[in-house]
Amino acid sequence: IAGITQAPTSQILAAGRRMTLRCTQDMRHNAMYWYRQDLGLGLRLIHYSNTAGTTGKGEVPDGYSVSRANTDDFPLTLASAVPSQTSVYFCASSGLRGEGYTFGSGTRLTVV
Amino acid sequence: GNSVTQMEGPVTLSEEAFLTINCTYTATGYPSLFWYVQYPGEGLQLLLKATKADDKGSNKGFEATYRKETTSFHLEKGSVQVSDSAVYFCALSDRGSEKLVFGKGTKLTVNP
Repeated sequence: IAGITQAPTSQILAAGRRMTLRCTQDMRHNAMYWYRQDLGLGLRLIHYSNTAGTTGKGEVPDGYSVSRANTDDFPLTLASAVPSQTSVYFCASSGLRGEGYTFGSGTRLTVV
Repeated sequence: GNSVTQMEGPVTLSEEAFLTINCTYTATGYPSLFWYVQYPGEGLQLLLKATKADDKGSNKGFEATYRKETTSFHLEKGSVQVSDSAVYFCALSDRGSEKLVFGKGTKLTVNP
């Protein structure tokens, strides 16, 4: 089934540790996105990529980095995790203009 | 900048009741408008969309009409079911960008 795969599903991480959240899509979509979802704040864009080889900063990029070496993969890295990065992280992709996004199932990250 | 405002929840209804979730937007030009649904423990799924004024999006008994004169895209369903319990997000995308701007979400609980 075509879609987006995120891994891990959930993770408990010690503060100060490095962590990479994986995201892979098999729809050949050009654009990909990372959002975090927090209670009362909705979805906030962290980083995005309009096409392979390019990335851009969203609304809340600090403490996160991304890369887009190819069309399918868009990993999100926390270089040194802090408790405020406890959240549910969603990866999404979009293909044709105006068609909206396809979302992954999310990664629940707890930083302790 | 672009923004989406949707009614705050939570909304609690009895089965077979009529549902309206209000959504208004601020945008330059003519955005595309979307409703996404998030069931417990899952990622967001596209529910319906409209790309131009007076378009009506519909799916699974839900409807929303793109009203440019009132900058609104209210979600409606004539008879809700317990299985409709979820969080609903209104969103827009500007013509010049694929990035979606989301409202903060409205949690709907339908009781039997």
